[in-house]
Amino acid sequence: EEQLVESGGGLVQSGGSLRLSCAASGFTFSSYWMHWVRQAPGKGLVWVSRINSNGNSMNYADSVKGRFTISRDNAKNTLYLQMNSLRAEDTAVYYCAREPAAYYTMDVWGQGTTVTVSS
Amino acid sequence: QSVLTQPPSVSGAPGQRVTISCTGSSSNIGANYDVHWYQQLPGTAPKLLIYGNSNRPSGVPDRFSGSKSGTSASLAITGLQAEDEADYYCQSHDSSLSGSVFGGGTKLTVL
Repeated sequence: EEQLVESGGGLVQSGGSLRLSCAASGFTFSSYWMHWVRQAPGKGLVWVSRINSNGNSMNYADSVKGRFTISRDNAKNTLYLQMNSLRAEDTAVYYCAREPAAYYTMDVWGQGTTVTVSS
Repeated sequence: QSVLTQPPSVSGAPGQRVTISCTGSSSNIGANYDVHWYQQLPGTAPKLLIYGNSNRPSGVPDRFSGSKSGTSASLAITGLQAEDEADYYCQSHDSSLSGSVFGGGTKLTVL
């Protein structure tokens, strides 16, 4: 079964840092581009970041550019999101998702991990 | 404010047909990027419902269909069932943002 499992969420003070992980299983992780998407409480989905299959090309939403860093370890089948200078507005459930070739879509999603930034 | 615009809510009675619109611009849907749709049941992760404007992943009932024209797209649900009550999101790629964009989401209520 193709699966993504996020971890690393928690409560952090404003200005602090957190690193999220997303462990992939059941598919060839190194063949897929990957995304992070977040959802603030009671709000809609917001795209955060995307990384190509070999980890040398990344894109970010303007709201996190310069503060968040996406990376991956294909040997460990794991995607990461390093979040620095956290703000209250970064409070959300963070999902990792897989992008199948050629469609710019997200076909497999994790269950999400919750990040709460206290001010 | 989302880059893609969806109605906040739609509703319909069981068995009826509803549509959800998604309006973009010349840098996303109008730039010929595909539109994708997701269903999010309460308290769960999003699930891919339609990809590439009109394709259904394996396991998605044919009651769900998608279409795209110009700078807009639509999701249609026929034969509404109580289990369809959920939030629905459209998504595309935006060339000016170099990333994905989502609609604000539409809450479907089955009356």
